[in-house]
Amino acid sequence: AQSVTQLDSQVPVFEEAPVELRCNYSSSVSVYLFWYVQYPNQGLQLLLKYLSGSTLVKGINGFEAEFNKSQTSFHLRKPSVHISDTAEYFCAVTSGNTPLVFGKGTRLSVIA
Amino acid sequence: ETGVTQTPRHLVMGMTNKKSLKCEQHLGHNAMYWYKQSAKKPLELMFVYNFKEQTENNSVPSRFSPECPNSSHLFLHLHTLQPEDSALYLCASSQVGATYEQYFGPGTRLTVT
Repeated sequence: AQSVTQLDSQVPVFEEAPVELRCNYSSSVSVYLFWYVQYPNQGLQLLLKYLSGSTLVKGINGFEAEFNKSQTSFHLRKPSVHISDTAEYFCAVTSGNTPLVFGKGTRLSVIA
Repeated sequence: ETGVTQTPRHLVMGMTNKKSLKCEQHLGHNAMYWYKQSAKKPLELMFVYNFKEQTENNSVPSRFSPECPNSSHLFLHLHTLQPEDSALYLCASSQVGATYEQYFGPGTRLTVT
């Protein structure tokens, strides 16, 4: 079975500053990894995904994430955040034949 | 309509009422999911349907009854709910055996009074 740990429940950051949201997973098999974003009163929207190939994955809204197999991590980064990036971010994992397993989420608050 | 739609967006119901939540996906997917999202708790997977067949039920109380008449539609029938069932209910769909990501609807905000 897989599990996901998002190490920070809340991350405040000033506008135009860089941000990293951390995600670690555990699995005994190969995994596929995802980051989703949830804006208030909305569903989850896919930001990016890692299936195979290059370990640096670029997504929408200027976000990127790096898959690190040795550290079992998939941290999300953005070099310069905007007020509009304020939202809840979820990391998720699957082995391919099971539903996604989600982390508890990280609330990103961008401060003007 | 595109993507995954859910109706109603908001629902207030008493503990003795019966209501249904509806989800429709316009993506040609063959798997659908119900999730419960409560404040300060992680996403809880409730039910999974693959090709209209229920493949997962995560110990959900019987007051929640899912129905999947075809691969595009998913319902969640509610009866005699409790106040702790108040939450955001999210529907999602995916293509089994493809790229694994799930696409979510906007959710139904349920309040049980």
